[in-house]
Amino acid sequence: GQNIDQPTEMTATEGAIVQINCTYQTSGFNGLFWYQQHAGEAPTFLSYNVLDGLEEKGRFSSFLSRSKGYSYLLLKELQMKDSASYLCAVRDSNYQLIWGAGTKLIIKP
Amino acid sequence: ETGVTQTPRHLVMGMTNKKSLKCEQHLGHNAMYWYKQSAKKPLELMFVYSLEERVENNSVPSRFSPECPNSSHLFLHLHTLQPEDSALYLCASSTATSGGWETQYFGPGTRLLVL
Repeated sequence: GQNIDQPTEMTATEGAIVQINCTYQTSGFNGLFWYQQHAGEAPTFLSYNVLDGLEEKGRFSSFLSRSKGYSYLLLKELQMKDSASYLCAVRDSNYQLIWGAGTKLIIKP
Repeated sequence: ETGVTQTPRHLVMGMTNKKSLKCEQHLGHNAMYWYKQSAKKPLELMFVYSLEERVENNSVPSRFSPECPNSSHLFLHLHTLQPEDSALYLCASSTATSGGWETQYFGPGTRLLVL
């Protein structure tokens, strides 16, 4: 079956760096997405990786290794507003999105 | 209005009621989706419409009935729901190309409670 694994919850300190990992086993691969979802709000698109390597976008970076079925989202200079759930999703060979259950990130002062 | 909007934002209904959820996208997309989001579970894709035709129906119970009258509007009609249907219902839209569906953009969701 198809599966996306990410930690359920993580805690980090304001101003620090945190890495949220995502591993996947899917039928084919056509890209990996990261979304941010604040409580009670819409998931918002953060990043897309289809080739191996690091994509940097301001304080957020996303890394992909297709051979390892692995990605991470790196958040630098954490701010209180970064407290949210982070969803990893992989697009399979049928272009269907397979979703992880999300990682709840708690930022402490 | 911009982006993807959903109404109502909150809904409480009894098991014998009939209600409808509405979604509207202002992004010029040609594919729309309904998802169910339950606590600590992955998003569950319920329905996909591409160019106003239903493309996927992932074995959703018949008590959920989608309707897509045009590329900007999507409805989810609800009837005789069960308490386990209580969840956040998210609408999303994207561009559909010959290569598949592109990045999805979500509405804020309808929080549904079935009593």
